[in-house]
Amino acid sequence: QQPVQSPQAVILREGEDAVINCSSSKALYSVHWYRQKHGEAPVFLMILLKGGEQKGHEKISASFNEKKQQSSLYLTASQLSYSGTYFCGTGSNSGYALNFGKGTSLLVTP
Amino acid sequence: NAGVTQTPKFQVLKTGQSMTLQCAQDMNHEYMSWYRQDPGMGLRLIHYSVGAGITDQGEVPNGYNVSRSTTEDFPLRLLSAAPSQTSGYFCASSAGASYGYTFGSGTRLTVV
Repeated sequence: QQPVQSPQAVILREGEDAVINCSSSKALYSVHWYRQKHGEAPVFLMILLKGGEQKGHEKISASFNEKKQQSSLYLTASQLSYSGTYFCGTGSNSGYALNFGKGTSLLVTP
Repeated sequence: NAGVTQTPKFQVLKTGQSMTLQCAQDMNHEYMSWYRQDPGMGLRLIHYSVGAGITDQGEVPNGYNVSRSTTEDFPLRLLSAAPSQTSGYFCASSAGASYGYTFGSGTRLTVV
């Protein structure tokens, strides 16, 4: 079951902030965030684990509400290089692979 | 380190043909997965493996087979290609459930 991401698309001016949301109907062990630029492979940004541990990016932060099975990715002071499609991937308590959402397209303009 | 290597990068098949997409990683990762990516659908899980000799089905396994005889390799076999299998295919690996995935560069497959 794919997690649900919102919004589907965002357009920002350089320096503005954005929030991308991810929700799942299943109990989660982990939430991953990836960014994909056009024609390239997805790149790992960060992982949030049940129990509060986070590993990943220096300039991007995220939250994980285990009870609501939701996560949010916070992009602050956006840069042109932040443009791309962002995917959340969820790992369930009983699973061994990630299920990804449909993605959020982010465009940062000058 | 090469990371995750996928071959070929591009492939055109005729309906009914079979082929194998190759995936190899040199990071000694136990977890490996195959995804297909279609416009507006995100990344959908085809098959995955948690170690040599262990594989399981994902969300969209029909028409695909996998095997994992070594830790390094996780090939994806298309048994009888159909136009619906026209897609981008990504292989990914991870050290385990608490670690991020490294993706290969992908294979663009067209079935005519």
